[in-house]
Amino acid sequence: DFVMTQSPDSLAVSLGERATINCKSSQSVLYSSNDKNYLAWYQHKPGQPPKLLIYWASTRASGVPDRFSGSGSGTDFTLTISSLQAEDVAVYYCLQYYSTPPGAFGQGTKLEIK
Amino acid sequence: EVQLVESGGDLIQPGGSLRLSCAASGFTVSSNYMSWVRQAPGKGLEWVSGFYSGGNTYYADSVRGRFTISRDNSKNTLYLQMNNLRAEDTAVYYCARHAEQMNYYFDYWGQGTLVTVSS
Repeated sequence: DFVMTQSPDSLAVSLGERATINCKSSQSVLYSSNDKNYLAWYQHKPGQPPKLLIYWASTRASGVPDRFSGSGSGTDFTLTISSLQAEDVAVYYCLQYYSTPPGAFGQGTKLEIK
Repeated sequence: EVQLVESGGDLIQPGGSLRLSCAASGFTVSSNYMSWVRQAPGKGLEWVSGFYSGGNTYYADSVRGRFTISRDNSKNTLYLQMNNLRAEDTAVYYCARHAEQMNYYFDYWGQGTLVTVSS
């Protein structure tokens, strides 16, 4: 079974500064036949459903500001917010969809303003 | 416009049963992979169950044997029948669509419905 481990569990960053969240998979999520990493990132705010930010490890979802970016391959991935805005306060999750069924979420990283 | 609307959440006693519904619009449930994901109070997201192509169904170990996922194509609706409910099943339950009509990431989510299991 896949285990997704995020770090840190919580993070406090000043407005306008960079925020970096890491996600490590217990197994590679890189599918060799198409060279795609089956990894997504979500933003979750209280009272709202999770919002898709990044899929295929680095493709930004429609409408997502370009300050959000994803990187990494194989087992190690990073979500970067280049310049933190107040509205970015949320819990962030990575998700692997390499396996069937998918659904191994990381434990979440709580992002706050310093 | 793609929309998912969950309903059926309630306060229920341990050992009780509940059926959640997820009414879809803007796309056809039968042509897509669909899942239920939950979030318990103070906890992270947990995938619960999926209805995939060919009618294949999948369950998390924590609910296998107690929950049943199904769909009604004529109503374009996904269901989750929950039996023998436990306190640890208390959560907001989200219905989610998998992207690209494949077993991929979730691209659309409903607003969620709250299930509280308590005596």
